[in-house]
Amino acid sequence: DQQVKQNSPSLSVQEGRISILNCDYTNSMFDYFLWYKKYPAEGPTFLISISSIKDKNEDGRFTVFLNKSAKHLSLHIVPSQPGDSAVYFCAAHDTGTASKLTFGTGTRLQVTL
Amino acid sequence: DTGVSQNPRHKITKRGQNVTFRCDPISEHNRLYWYRQTLGQGPEFLTYFQNEAQLEKSRLLSDRFSAERPKGSFSTLEIQRTEQGDSAMYLCASRHRGSYEQYFGPGTRLTVT
Repeated sequence: DQQVKQNSPSLSVQEGRISILNCDYTNSMFDYFLWYKKYPAEGPTFLISISSIKDKNEDGRFTVFLNKSAKHLSLHIVPSQPGDSAVYFCAAHDTGTASKLTFGTGTRLQVTL
Repeated sequence: DTGVSQNPRHKITKRGQNVTFRCDPISEHNRLYWYRQTLGQGPEFLTYFQNEAQLEKSRLLSDRFSAERPKGSFSTLEIQRTEQGDSAMYLCASRHRGSYEQYFGPGTRLTVT
């Protein structure tokens, strides 16, 4: 039962363009969402988050959008840079549990020159 | 803030042996989590500590797995009688009370031969 889904395993974007990574969820008890970035042989690094009471959060080149009715969130990176090439995980916090995170399977982003 | 540290970074062991991993969280974080990540998947929750109390365990955590957090500081995860299916990246994360963001260590990659 995959409660957090990232249906695109990979994405290739040219440097300077916008990268859009998508995430869908099924559990209505999720109240907070996070994006993590992961390089090979390293642990996930926290990137940006959004509360379920908001529909947008922006931090520099990174913006997360949340559509609660559609149970969908997206991460926009603009402009994309080669250093953004990594695997991106969407994660959700369940208000009914001990604050564990439920992760998607990740999207590998490659930013090409 | 030195970040979350984990030791060892890599462990190769023969099937049937016991292994122990250590996690040192960010010092002011009283919440500590263990996750497991296998190839092509996102991190999966294993267990959660609030201070020294282990408050939740996933059904993924079989009887061969045990975790401790004496004195609410560092934590250890022990796997007894390892099996090949235990081969994975074991990640530790910590967070501050009142914050949803979890900060991950670099992980311990376990290979069971």
